[in-house]
Amino acid sequence: QSALTQPASVSGSRGQSITISCTGTSSDVGGYNYVSWYQQHPGKAPKLLIYDVFNRPSGVSNRFSGSKSGNTASLTISGLQAEDETDYYCSSYTSSSTPVIFGGGTKLTVV
Amino acid sequence: EVQLVESGGGLVQPGRSLRLSCAASGFTFDDYAMHWVRQAPGKGLEWVSGISWNSGTIAYADSVKGRFTISRDNAKNSLYLQMNSLRTEDTAMYFCAKGNSFRYFEYWGQGTLVTVSS
Repeated sequence: QSALTQPASVSGSRGQSITISCTGTSSDVGGYNYVSWYQQHPGKAPKLLIYDVFNRPSGVSNRFSGSKSGNTASLTISGLQAEDETDYYCSSYTSSSTPVIFGGGTKLTVV
Repeated sequence: EVQLVESGGGLVQPGRSLRLSCAASGFTFDDYAMHWVRQAPGKGLEWVSGISWNSGTIAYADSVKGRFTISRDNAKNSLYLQMNSLRTEDTAMYFCAKGNSFRYFEYWGQGTLVTVSS
C-alpha cells in the first residue's frame, strides 16, 4: 500500500499561517476519523500533535489545528515560530492488511 | 512520566536475526496497545507492527510479514520485536510507541538503531 501523499516541503514567514495536506483514499483518510499528525525534530523521536483528525493532546500549543475534507486531511500551524521549522508526518488507520499508514513527511521552513 | 526505552539494536549481517526490546514505565502497560515504527536513514516513518493490550490483535506491515514477530510481557512491562531473515532494507531506527489502539501513537521512545550489512 502506498504512503499517504504530503508535499515534500512548505515554507512560511514568522507569524504567518501554513497548511500541510495529507491525501489518501476512501480506505484510509476518507473512511475513518483516525488521522494523526506528528512533529519530528532531527535526531529526535516524533511527537504527537493532533489525533482523531482535530484533537490536541494536553500540552500541545493551540497554534496547531487539524481538519479533514473527503480523502484529504490538513494540519494548520498559525503564528509560525522559528522552532516550528522541522519535519511533519500524517498517519491514518486503514482497512487494508497493513492497518496503519504514514505520509511521506513534509519539511517546514520558517523564513 | 511515560518512559519507553528501546534496546537490542546493532550491526547484523543479512539473513541473521535480532531481538529488540522496549521497557515501559510511567503508565499501566497492560491497558494499552504497543507498536514498533521504523525510520530508515534520511527517510520517513514506516509502521512495522502493533499488538493490542492482551495480545489478542497483532498486525504487521506487508514488508515484514512472515519475518518479524511482535510480542509483549505485561508482567515485565516490556514489548519485543523478533526480527528474522534480516535484509539490508531493514536498516533503520526502530521506535517503540504507546498506542491508543491502532488509531495513533501517544508517546515514543528514543529508538534503537538496526544496521543490516555484510
